[in-house]
Amino acid sequence: GAVVSQHPSRVICKSGTSVKIECRSLDFQATTMFWYRQFPKQSLMLMATSNEGSKATYEQGVEKDKFLINHASLTLSTLTVTSAHPEDSSFYICSASRLEDLAKNIQYFGAGTRLSVL
Amino acid sequence: AQKITQTQPGMFVQEKEAVTLDCTYDTSDQSYGLFWYKQPSSGEMIFLIYQGSYDEQNATEGRYSLNFQKARKSANLVISASQLGDSAMYFCAMGPPRSGSARQLTFGSGTQLTVLP
Repeated sequence: GAVVSQHPSRVICKSGTSVKIECRSLDFQATTMFWYRQFPKQSLMLMATSNEGSKATYEQGVEKDKFLINHASLTLSTLTVTSAHPEDSSFYICSASRLEDLAKNIQYFGAGTRLSVL
Repeated sequence: AQKITQTQPGMFVQEKEAVTLDCTYDTSDQSYGLFWYKQPSSGEMIFLIYQGSYDEQNATEGRYSLNFQKARKSANLVISASQLGDSAMYFCAMGPPRSGSARQLTFGSGTQLTVLP
């Protein structure tokens, strides 16, 4: 399957600092990437849809000023958690589709980033 | 709106036996896709299998098969010859109709599968 790289895999930061998470499609171009959040023992919840060259689309209840998304190229989307607080501690995971998979909408996921805010 | 229901929070299976993980869905769309993903303790989401709503045959991928019953709105995952490495969380997911761009998936609550030696 396609390879989606996510970095860092784990980050610990102090409250009030900002954290940037990168999501890269390594062997394909992705005009759209998705960012999900997952709490322990729970399912994935869509946070936002990242569109290359345009503004991200955020799900209801997700603060766009807190979770900044930039999709500057066809292979890279970044999620920046600004002024992180302990309640932002979670598992963040991104996904993307290859062009040839769009008809089926098969999503390939990164390995996720575990964020811990102290 | 689309909804996925997985009623089995946890399942146990003996190594080398088959196991069925249940998934039911609800949608008013005529065209949709159904997916199963595996999430080991490391956290990555691994794509396992896809079934299109208009596919007449059940999808199979190696030891994985999807028992698709459209009238019952169910898409159960069958894992044959379970291996210890199959122990993981399994998510059923649904995607909106085909379009020219990627669309987000809706996930179920997951089933934690434990394979016993």
